Amino acid sequence: EDQVTQSPEALRLQEGESSSLNCSYTVSGLRGLFWYRQDPGKGPEFLFTLYSAGEEKEKERLKATLTKKESFLHITAPKPEDSATYLCAVQAWSGGYNKLIFGAGTRLAVHP
Amino acid sequence: DAGITQSPRHKVTETGTPVTLRCHQTENHRYMYWYRQDPGHGLRLIHYSYGVKDTDKGEVSDGYSVSRSKTEDFLLTLESATSSQTSVYFCAISPSAGGHQETQYFGPGTRLLVL
Repeated sequence: EDQVTQSPEALRLQEGESSSLNCSYTVSGLRGLFWYRQDPGKGPEFLFTLYSAGEEKEKERLKATLTKKESFLHITAPKPEDSATYLCAVQAWSGGYNKLIFGAGTRLAVHP
Repeated sequence: DAGITQSPRHKVTETGTPVTLRCHQTENHRYMYWYRQDPGHGLRLIHYSYGVKDTDKGEVSDGYSVSRSKTEDFLLTLESATSSQTSVYFCAISPSAGGHQETQYFGPGTRLLVL
């Protein structure tokens, strides 16, 4: 069964304290892995797409990496405005269409 | 921001009543999706559309129907609302379903409470 698991469920960091969020997946035929940021009361905001193992993408303090079994979202020297829920999703061909399978998310809180 | 609006943004209704949620896009994207988001669950696909009048079911489609009469509008109808359909509903759009143009962009969401 296609599955996406994110860990930890919640993470509390001090401003400037770097850390990583994990997204592990089991899908038959990965077509892409997506990271989104979601602020309270808002829709998910697209961050990155990764397509093959070894690929890396960066945006400001965020860096996403991909292996054959998992992806990491590294946050370097986070600031309070990085506080949000981070969602991981994998795209796989299933049931006759390109299906996006989401994890439950990691809630990140960055304190000054 | 992707040009996606959802209406209403908040709705309270009673069990057994029909409810229609609207998604409107200004991007002229071919694909449109309806998801629901519940605590402890990832976003789950309800229905999607791959063109005008072309729709198909997602993983949690029971109790929901959709229609797309124009490229820009995708309607989600709860035929007879139940308390289990209390959720936050998100619309998403994408230009394609593959070929590196499949990134989905999400609307602001509709918070629905069924009493």
